[in-house]
Amino acid sequence: GEDVEQSLFLSVREGDSSVINCTYTDSSSTYLYWYKQEPGAGLQLLTYIFSNMDMKQDQRLTVLLNKKDKHLSLRIADTQTGDSAIYFCAANQGGKLIFGQGTELSVKP
Amino acid sequence: DAGVIQSPRHEVTEMGQEVTLRCKPISGHDYLFWYRQTMMRGLELLIYFNNNVPIDDSGMPEDRFSAKMPNASFSTLKIQPSEPRDSAVYFCASSTGTGPNSPLHFGNGTRLTVT
Repeated sequence: GEDVEQSLFLSVREGDSSVINCTYTDSSSTYLYWYKQEPGAGLQLLTYIFSNMDMKQDQRLTVLLNKKDKHLSLRIADTQTGDSAIYFCAANQGGKLIFGQGTELSVKP
Repeated sequence: DAGVIQSPRHEVTEMGQEVTLRCKPISGHDYLFWYRQTMMRGLELLIYFNNNVPIDDSGMPEDRFSAKMPNASFSTLKIQPSEPRDSAVYFCASSTGTGPNSPLHFGNGTRLTVT
């Protein structure tokens, strides 16, 4: 089955760019997603990318997909303290989403 | 739209007791998912339903766990008997489909502590 992995922690300074990385194993995944979880809340969809795309930009967010290496990244430009949260990468396996363990992003002023 | 509603928000129980977690999906959403989140294992899919029918329960840890969806507006996840290793945050999520145009909408979760 699908296995999705992420590094657990990332710390950046306010105003810097953040890059969160993810790897997955199932090359048949057609969609890859980034979700955000704020403290005490459920996950919310941030953005997604189709597997036939290399890049997707949405305001401060840039998603890069290297399908050959099964590597996905999320870049947040001009990171703000409000971006502090846990970020989850997810890949579809049929009708269900398989999530990574989440990367806790800490933004220091 | 009230979103996905889960109850209770927190549950503390003793080992061996039965625990029932509840979920009300967003009206019109045909898919319902139960996830469990722990520090060690991250977010694991336990089971999901489509039109009230269980489609994939391969993530249910063992026979102590059971889930039902008696109608389109209600689902339960039951643990009987509960054990300390079941302590986790349990999320319910619903969606209209399974593609990117049908994102998962998560509830705020139930934090379960089994002592």
